[in-house]
Amino acid sequence: DTEVTQTPKHLVMGMTNKKSLKCEQHMGHRAMYWYKQKAKKPPELMFVYSYEKLSINESVPSRFSPECPNSSLLNLHLHALQPEDSALYLCASSQSLTGAEGETQYFGPGTRLLVL
Amino acid sequence: AQTVTQSQPEMSVQEAETVTLSCTYDTSESDYYLFWYKQPPSRQMILVIRQEAYKQQNATENRFSVNFQKAAKSFSLKISDSQLGDAAMYFCAASGGTYKYIFGTGTRLKVLA
Repeated sequence: DTEVTQTPKHLVMGMTNKKSLKCEQHMGHRAMYWYKQKAKKPPELMFVYSYEKLSINESVPSRFSPECPNSSLLNLHLHALQPEDSALYLCASSQSLTGAEGETQYFGPGTRLLVL
Repeated sequence: AQTVTQSQPEMSVQEAETVTLSCTYDTSESDYYLFWYKQPPSRQMILVIRQEAYKQQNATENRFSVNFQKAAKSFSLKISDSQLGDAAMYFCAASGGTYKYIFGTGTRLKVLA
């Protein structure tokens, strides 16, 4: 089963709201990722968790707060977002074997976020 | 800096014909990996093909194959017998360090019936 699931599929929120995006995988992968993708652009890496520890934070604003409660789950907490944060948010996972260079990343279907 | 360049923003192909999508990259790494991902409209990004740079043999997956020219730093994707379901945005990517991909800007492929 090479499936990464994400909820919700769509989310509309105001700039004062707090919401969370969820991601789940049951492939036994130990690395999980958050990407942001604008229309007709490639994904941009935001965060990487490896073995439930934050490994990479690509200088993302603090209004985005990731959380990895266990090896299968990844959350992205959103607070006080701006309209320019509207995008498709993709979750991905990979095995995270030794080195982890060049591992295949498996992507979820994404959450389409609109900030009003 | 590592870069991946896709010079064709959009391509069209007739159903059942063959199309080649171009990708060039630049890396100082001696060992690296290359990928083609497909992202259909409003659907999930999926891996099409993966190439390990130390392997000279070109990767193939059914109707999808690559032409990997290491010296030229070129990694093109050939789709044979194109089908309507092949219509998508195709991203070329290179491994850019642990956990990181360097993505190209994408090529939108249209398949004409």
